[in-house]
Amino acid sequence: GENVEQHPSTLSVQEGDSAVIKCTYSDSASNYFPWYKQELGKGPQLIIDIRSNVGEKKDQRIAVTLNKTAKHFSLHITETQPEDSAVYFCAASYNNDMRFGAGTRLTVKP
Amino acid sequence: GAGVSQTPSNKVTEKGKYVELRCDPISGHTALYWYRQSLGQGPEFLIYFQGTGAADDSGLPNDRFFAVRPEGSVSTLKIQRTERGDSAVYLCASSLTPLAGYNEQFFGPGTRLTVL
Repeated sequence: GENVEQHPSTLSVQEGDSAVIKCTYSDSASNYFPWYKQELGKGPQLIIDIRSNVGEKKDQRIAVTLNKTAKHFSLHITETQPEDSAVYFCAASYNNDMRFGAGTRLTVKP
Repeated sequence: GAGVSQTPSNKVTEKGKYVELRCDPISGHTALYWYRQSLGQGPEFLIYFQGTGAADDSGLPNDRFFAVRPEGSVSTLKIQRTERGDSAVYLCASSLTPLAGYNEQFFGPGTRLTVL
């Protein structure tokens, strides 16, 4: 089955700096890669996703890149703000089988 | 519109008791998923419904866990003879019928289950 590795487990940045979170996956059949943000006491919220026929996608301060050959994908947050502080999860999916990484706790210091 | 809702938000029970956790998906979403999230971990897949039927229950850890979705909307996750190791946040998600494998899932706030 699919196995998703996520790094780093914790990340601390200064407000205004960029943050990068990286994930690798094992199943080459996976074709959908969402990123979720989870705040304390809440369910994961989809922030951006990318499909396997696209190499990069951007939405304002958030971008995701996908390298299918190497089976890795990354989340980039620019101009970080304190409200970006949360736990971020990557996931890889084929059909209805979605596997999550272990999460990255991002702290943005004002 | 309304998102995925889950009740109760918190459930405390004693070892050996039976619990039911409820999920109301987004209206019109035919697919419904249950996940379990332990502290410091990502969501772990339990079961997936397409309509009323369980299309994939390979993530259920053992026969103490069971889920139903009798009318294709609301789902109930049932845990018998609870054990302390069942303590976790149980998340529900829903999506439109996946198209060509793409599967945008929307999560509820979860039910925090504590087994004493």
